Formats: sequence, C-alpha cells, structure tokens
Amino acid sequence: EAQVTQNPRYLITVTGKKLTVTCSQNMNHEYMSWYRQDPGLGLRQIYYSMNVEVTDKGDVPEGYKVSRKEKRNFPLILESPSPNQTSLYFCASSFDGAGYPGSPLHFGNGTRLTVT
Amino acid sequence: TQLLEQSPQFLSIQEGENLTVYCNSSSVFSSLQWYRQEPGEGPVLLVTVVTGGEVKKLKRLTFQFGDARKDSSLHITAAQPGDTGLYLCAGDRGSQGNLIFGKGTKLSVKP
Repeated sequence: EAQVTQNPRYLITVTGKKLTVTCSQNMNHEYMSWYRQDPGLGLRQIYYSMNVEVTDKGDVPEGYKVSRKEKRNFPLILESPSPNQTSLYFCASSFDGAGYPGSPLHFGNGTRLTVT
Repeated sequence: TQLLEQSPQFLSIQEGENLTVYCNSSSVFSSLQWYRQEPGEGPVLLVTVVTGGEVKKLKRLTFQFGDARKDSSLHITAAQPGDTGLYLCAGDRGSQGNLIFGKGTKLSVKP
C-alpha cells in the first residue's frame, strides 16, 4: 500500500531533550515536506526537500532540522525542544513538487508532540 | 506575503442542506488544491484546479477556480454526515513547487 509513515504517533517529552520524528514514504516521491498544525494557525510548512541532499526552509523553520540522505526518508529533528513546539506534525510527499497538477501531496497520519 | 483566507471558519448544518465555502487571496496562484482532513488523520486531496474559471465536480462536491486565479469555492449539495471534516485550500507558490495552506473551514453535518 502506498503510504507515508510517521513515527511515533504520540510523543511527550521535556524541554531540551533532543528528539527525532521519522518519516518514510514508499512511493518513490522526489518531494517531501514537514508541516505543523496548530489551532487558529492552520498548516504551516517547516522544511521541504525537492530531492535527495536538497532541503529548504519553509515558513517556520526555527528550532528544527531535517536531513534527506535517501529518497524515502525525511526525519525531523528537534535539537532542544521547547513548549512552543508542542503541536501536531505532518510529513507529506509528492512525486514532483507540491502543488503541481498531477502531483498531489500525500500526508502521513501525524505526530502529536507535547513538550513540557 | 501570500495568504489564503478561508470562510467561514466553522459551519454546522443539517443533513440535506447545501453549502458553499470560500478560499480567497490577493495573490495569483498557478494552481489551487482542496483537501479534506478528518480527526486523527492527515489531509487527503480532493481536487486540483489549474485554469481560471475552471469548474470540477466530484460527486456532490463542485469546485470552482476564480477567473483571475485568486480565489476558489467549494459547493456541497445535499450534505451528508460523512462530509464532516476540515476543508483546506492550498495554493501553489510557483517556482518552488510548494504550497501555502489556508486555515480551513470546519464543517459539521448533523443527521
């Protein structure tokens, strides 16, 4: 089954403790992206990657890191999480860049992160 | 800064009613997508509109892209409880190939 898999689904951690949220897709997609979703603010892009070893900042990159060492994986790293990073996170992928006709975004089921 | 504004923010209706939700911007988008998100899941693409004035139908859902490619609407005929969810519009920002999302319209259809 074609899918985007995020892990974990739920994570509670404390301020300053480094964490990684994994994302993997099995559709051979070139493009991958991370979003956070907050009440009243909607979906905001954190980082995206057009291809292996190519990553770019989205709208809210502060406090996050990503890497794209291989096509299928795009982990999101929080080196020193803070409470304002408590959010619902989504990884997404598409064949050839988000928004292009015929290249829809496929989303994972989300990771709910709580930082205390 | 490109922004997509969706209205209304919340909508609660009875089964069988018709409704329209809107997605507006002052910017021109090369394409616009509509997604539906259900609780506990990621958004799922419903449709992509590309040409100004384009109308696409998906069963009881009708999507229209404005002539100037700055706005879009989603009309649902005879809404059903299964239509309940968060409807998101997203615009293509062009050369970077990434999307900007509106904040969504949360629709509740009561039986």
